[in-house]
Amino acid sequence: DQQVKQNSPSLSVQEGRISILNCDYTNSMFDYFLWYKKYPAEGPTFLISISSIKDKNEDGRFTVFLNKSAKHLSLHIVPSQPGDSAVYFCAASPNTGNQFYFGTGTSLTVIP
Amino acid sequence: EAGVAQSPRYKIIEKRQSVAFWCNPISGHATLYWYQQILGQGPKLLIQFQNNGVVDDSQLPKDRFSAERLKGVDSTLKIQPAKLEDSAVYLCASSLNSLYGYTFGSGTRLTVV
Repeated sequence: DQQVKQNSPSLSVQEGRISILNCDYTNSMFDYFLWYKKYPAEGPTFLISISSIKDKNEDGRFTVFLNKSAKHLSLHIVPSQPGDSAVYFCAASPNTGNQFYFGTGTSLTVIP
Repeated sequence: EAGVAQSPRYKIIEKRQSVAFWCNPISGHATLYWYQQILGQGPKLLIQFQNNGVVDDSQLPKDRFSAERLKGVDSTLKIQPAKLEDSAVYLCASSLNSLYGYTFGSGTRLTVV
């Protein structure tokens, strides 16, 4: 049972434009969300987080939006750069703050 | 700080053989996780340690998988006997506080033939 879903396996964006990666979850107990970025042959690296008490968190070119009523979060990258090309995973955790459940990932390609 | 170290990077074994993976977490990180990532899927938690005690192993196939974390530092994950469906990347991660995410190692890619 996939509790965290990323329905777009891949996304291509022109350099300088906005990249929007989407994530949906089913468990209403999830209250903490992370985005990870993964390059080939490397482990995922932490990118940005958001807790359920907020609806937006921003860090440089990366912004995460959370819509609790829709059980949906998105990651915006503006402007997109070729170095952003990677697989992006969203992850969610219930209020225990322990195990994170991961989505299946979206492969982003930023075209120079 | 040094990252999470894992070895080996790659392993190919025949089905029914046994295999072991090693993880050295970031110094001072009390929590250690083993995740399994099958191709095309997100990482799935196998086992979580807090120091040398098991916090969650509900998704560990205990008939063939075992893990230990002696002295609350290094950890090993063993599969015996391996099946074809065990082919995956095995990721080790550690954290001080899971609310700030984990730091993952580069993983061990296991191929069972």
